[in-house]
Amino acid sequence: KNQVEQSPQSLIILEGKNCTLQCNYTVSPFSNLRWYKQDTGRGPVSLTIMTFSENTKSNGRYTATLDADTKQSSLHITASQLSDSASYICVVSALGRSGIYNQGGKLIFGQGTELSVKP
Amino acid sequence: ETGVTQTPRHLVMGMTNKKSLKCEQHLGHNAMYWYKQSAKKPLELMFVYNFKEQTENNSVPSRFSPECPNSSHLFLHLHTLQPEDSALYLCASSQDPGADTGELFFGEGSRLTVL
Repeated sequence: KNQVEQSPQSLIILEGKNCTLQCNYTVSPFSNLRWYKQDTGRGPVSLTIMTFSENTKSNGRYTATLDADTKQSSLHITASQLSDSASYICVVSALGRSGIYNQGGKLIFGQGTELSVKP
Repeated sequence: ETGVTQTPRHLVMGMTNKKSLKCEQHLGHNAMYWYKQSAKKPLELMFVYNFKEQTENNSVPSRFSPECPNSSHLFLHLHTLQPEDSALYLCASSQDPGADTGELFFGEGSRLTVL
């Protein structure tokens, strides 16, 4: 069964500190892995997308890693800011059938990690 | 103006009401999606439209009725909902109809409360 598990469920850190969020997945066949940031009451916003051949990708203070062998990913946040308080969602994409229309390409969402950055 | 716009942002309705959620994308994308986000649960895909044609209905109850008049607009018509349908409804779009390769752009969501 295709699944995406994130840990921890929630995290509280002090402003300026670093943190790492984890994502484990059992998705096959694997296409790519995405991290999204979702502020409270808003829609998710993409942070990174990594394919099988990429093992790290950065977006400002956010760095995502991917180990396709162990099926694990992490999102590292450096020098956290109050505005980093949000839910971080790991999404793994399974390959679909070929063709013009979406023929089964499927996104499997994790339940998210709720990050709270305190002053 | 954001890429994907959803209205209304908040909606309260009774179980016998009929209402609609609207989504408009200004990105020139070919695919549009409806997702449901309940508290503490992963996003659930509801419907997918590619080039105005529905290509996926993820076993959604008939009290939810989607409509896609063109590639830029997507509606979700609601009728005789249940309290457990209360959730954040997210619209998304992507350039590539194949969701496994295209990046998704989400709207801000419509927070629905069913009394």
